[in-house]
Amino acid sequence: KNQVEQSPQSLIILEGKNCTLQCNYTVSPFSNLRWYKQDTGRGPVSLTIMTFSENTKSNGRYTATLDADTKQSSLHITASQLSDSASYICVVSARENTDKLIFGTGTRLQVFP
Amino acid sequence: NAGVTQTPKFQVLKTGQSMTLQCAQDMNHNSMYWYRQDPGMGLRLIYYSASEGTTDKGEVPNGYNVSRLNKREFSLRLESAAPSQTSVYFCASTLPPGLRSTGELFFGEGSRLTVL
Repeated sequence: KNQVEQSPQSLIILEGKNCTLQCNYTVSPFSNLRWYKQDTGRGPVSLTIMTFSENTKSNGRYTATLDADTKQSSLHITASQLSDSASYICVVSARENTDKLIFGTGTRLQVFP
Repeated sequence: NAGVTQTPKFQVLKTGQSMTLQCAQDMNHNSMYWYRQDPGMGLRLIYYSASEGTTDKGEVPNGYNVSRLNKREFSLRLESAAPSQTSVYFCASTLPPGLRSTGELFFGEGSRLTVL
């Protein structure tokens, strides 16, 4: 069964600290992996999209890594800010068409001053 | 550009009532989607439209109908609302992956529906 599992479920960090969120998947055949940020009460917003041939991609203070062999991805946030408080959702595409996206349940990150 | 616009943002219905959620995008995207988001679960696909004039069922289509009115608009209808349809609904759109697109999904702000 195609699944995307994220850990931890929730995380609390202090402003300025770094953190890493994890995503493991069992989706096959794999096309790409995406990370989205969802602020409370808002729609998800894309952070990165990686294909199997890409093992790292950055978007400002966000850096995503992908190990297609172990089917694991991580999202590293550097020098966290209060505005990073949100849910971070890992999404895996089972093929190139976006009708086969499998969503993780997200990691809820809270950044405190 | 407004991106993806959903209406209404909030709605309370009684069991058995009907309603339509509206979605419009101004990015000239071919594909549009309706998802629902429930606590403790990932977003689940209800229906999608790969292009104007076509619609297909997703993972959880029961109790819903859709209309791709034109390239811009994709509506979701609940004919007889049930408490199990209490959820947050998101519309999304994209261009297929290719030279001009990464296949990135653009989401609306969501419609929070409560069925009593």
